[in-house]
Amino acid sequence: QKEVEQDPGPLSVPEGAIVSLNCTYSNSAFQYFMWYRQYSRKGPELLMYTYSSGNKEDGRFTAQVDKSSKYISLFIRDSQPSDSATYLCAMSMDSSYKLIFGSGTRLLVRP
Amino acid sequence: DAGVTQSPTHLIKTRGQHVTLRCSPISGHKSVSWYQQVLGQGPQFIFQYYEKEERGRGNFPDRFSARQFPNYSSELNVNALLLGDSALYLCASSRPQETQYFGPGTRLLVL
Repeated sequence: QKEVEQDPGPLSVPEGAIVSLNCTYSNSAFQYFMWYRQYSRKGPELLMYTYSSGNKEDGRFTAQVDKSSKYISLFIRDSQPSDSATYLCAMSMDSSYKLIFGSGTRLLVRP
Repeated sequence: DAGVTQSPTHLIKTRGQHVTLRCSPISGHKSVSWYQQVLGQGPQFIFQYYEKEERGRGNFPDRFSARQFPNYSSELNVNALLLGDSALYLCASSRPQETQYFGPGTRLLVL
């Protein structure tokens, strides 16, 4: 069993839809949770960074962490075609140390 | 501020050869991490260096080695290349207790 599980998709939604992306994990020692966006053949770009449980909002993006369920989510409101990319969840015990990634979910936002 | 830079952007090698990849961190970041991302998977941790000392190593064979220089730039070396080493190699930099920012990656193809 992988430490971090993420549905690979692809997830196809119409423009303007609310997108929900999720990851589950098995290691209860994870304290830091991140979402990265990766366009094809590019490096991952940090979107959201959360410590412990709770919600964090930044523009159209909301990250949620439920440590009791070992479940994290990223919501994208008013999705745009430019949001089409692969979304990677990542987590760690120390924010600046070894990140454990999910396999990524490919998102396609149709105009 | 300039982001993390990596060179070369891509290269092609044959089995058994050696390769050196280079990374320059964001100014002020003293920690550099290397990740390998195989197509369709999330990045996997290879090494982290902090203040020129190896802080951690992932589950990779001894053919993989790295070092960090006094200006905090880093090199990743891979000896005796195998077909399975074909991947996107990502460098990330960070400050202590802060999350990691990734470069664009070096795409390595081993024939």
